[in-house]
Amino acid sequence: AQKVTQAQTEISVVEKEDVTLDCVYETRDTTYYLFWYKQPPSGELVFLIRRNSFDEQNEISGRYSWNFQKSTSSFNFTITASQVVDSAVYFCALSEAGGKLIFGQGTELSVKP
Amino acid sequence: KAGVTQTPRYLIKTRGQQVTLSCSPISGHRSVSWYQQTPGQGLQFLFEYFSETQRNKGNFPGRFSGRQFSNSRSEMNVSTLELGDSALYLCASSLVPGGGNTEAFFGQGTRLTVV
Repeated sequence: AQKVTQAQTEISVVEKEDVTLDCVYETRDTTYYLFWYKQPPSGELVFLIRRNSFDEQNEISGRYSWNFQKSTSSFNFTITASQVVDSAVYFCALSEAGGKLIFGQGTELSVKP
Repeated sequence: KAGVTQTPRYLIKTRGQQVTLSCSPISGHRSVSWYQQTPGQGLQFLFEYFSETQRNKGNFPGRFSGRQFSNSRSEMNVSTLELGDSALYLCASSLVPGGGNTEAFFGQGTRLTVV
């Protein structure tokens, strides 16, 4: 069965600190996709990144970076030099080919000035 | 380019009533998915529509139904509302169906409160 676990329910950091959000997934498929979404207080889920199971290359986009490790079934997300605007709930999600999104429980990040 | 539009944004209904929520996808997107978000259960998949056909369905009772029109707009209906149906209902649109095969863009959701 598919499952996504985000063990960190809440994280609080001070602005400019680096923070890593953990995501561990379970799937029996060899083809799958991993996602990170950001949910600000307004409610909509903002797409951050999509990764397929065959591409383990880490990715960096500005202050954001993602570490995908199939050996540990993890897809962790790091924000470098966090800012107050990064405060939100972050969701990791898994989708098998052609399937629905399975979300983790989310990690609420609070960045204090 | 306009994003995903969900209406209404907020809704208060009484137990036993029914409700219809609307979602207009991004222009050109033909796939619409619905998700329910609650504090206890998190984000759960309801169903997915593509070209007016339900392609996939989550584990929800038959009180939850949906449809998609020829212009790709979608509606979901919940009949005989229960208190536990109180949730944020999110709609996502994508070019093609299939979850991981493409990016899904979400609307701001409809906040349903059942009293």
